[in-house]
Amino acid sequence: EVQLVQSRAEVKKPGESLKISCKGSGYNFTNYLIGWVRQMPGKGLEWMGIIYPGDSDTTYSPSLQGLVTISVDKSVNTAYLQWNSLKASDTAMYYCARLLAQQLGFDYWGQGTLVSVSS
Amino acid sequence: SYELTQPPSVSVSPGQTARITCSGDALPKQYAYWYQQKPGQAPVLVIYKDSERPSGIPERFSGSSSGTTVTLTISGVQAEDEADYYCQSADSSTTVYVFGTGTKVTVL
Repeated sequence: EVQLVQSRAEVKKPGESLKISCKGSGYNFTNYLIGWVRQMPGKGLEWMGIIYPGDSDTTYSPSLQGLVTISVDKSVNTAYLQWNSLKASDTAMYYCARLLAQQLGFDYWGQGTLVSVSS
Repeated sequence: SYELTQPPSVSVSPGQTARITCSGDALPKQYAYWYQQKPGQAPVLVIYKDSERPSGIPERFSGSSSGTTVTLTISGVQAEDEADYYCQSADSSTTVYVFGTGTKVTVL
């Protein structure tokens, strides 16, 4: 059974750093791209970026380039989303999702990680 | 930038048909995907490649495409179909993915 399991909810202060994770299982993790999607409170889905675990090739949304870092450790089948300096506006639910093979849509999603940033 | 536009809301009575549109200039060149999201839950893929249905998705969900508009149709709507629905596609030339603005389906 394909599963993406994300790390637990986080409460942080502005200026702090954070790295959340997404662990894949039940399939060949290296062969499928993993995307990250943001959902701010009461708002819609926003694509943040995508990474190919095979070679760590990464593409970011132009609006988020430089604000976050997406990485992967294929030895533990895990993708990461990282901030160096959080802002209150980073408060959101973050989902990872697997890209369908040879396609442009996402077939499996993690359960989401809620990140709350407040002083 | 690449945008996908959906109506904010659609209301439908049980047993009737709900149609949700998604418009974007690049849709004739790329497939569209549809997701259902219920409150407090992760999105679920309900349609891929414009009109294909993943296993486990009820037959009442269907998709179609015409020019710059794709449509998700829910036939014989049930109370459990009340949710937010998002279309999604990508610009293959830039490898940028985009979600539609989202449509809230209310079952009256």
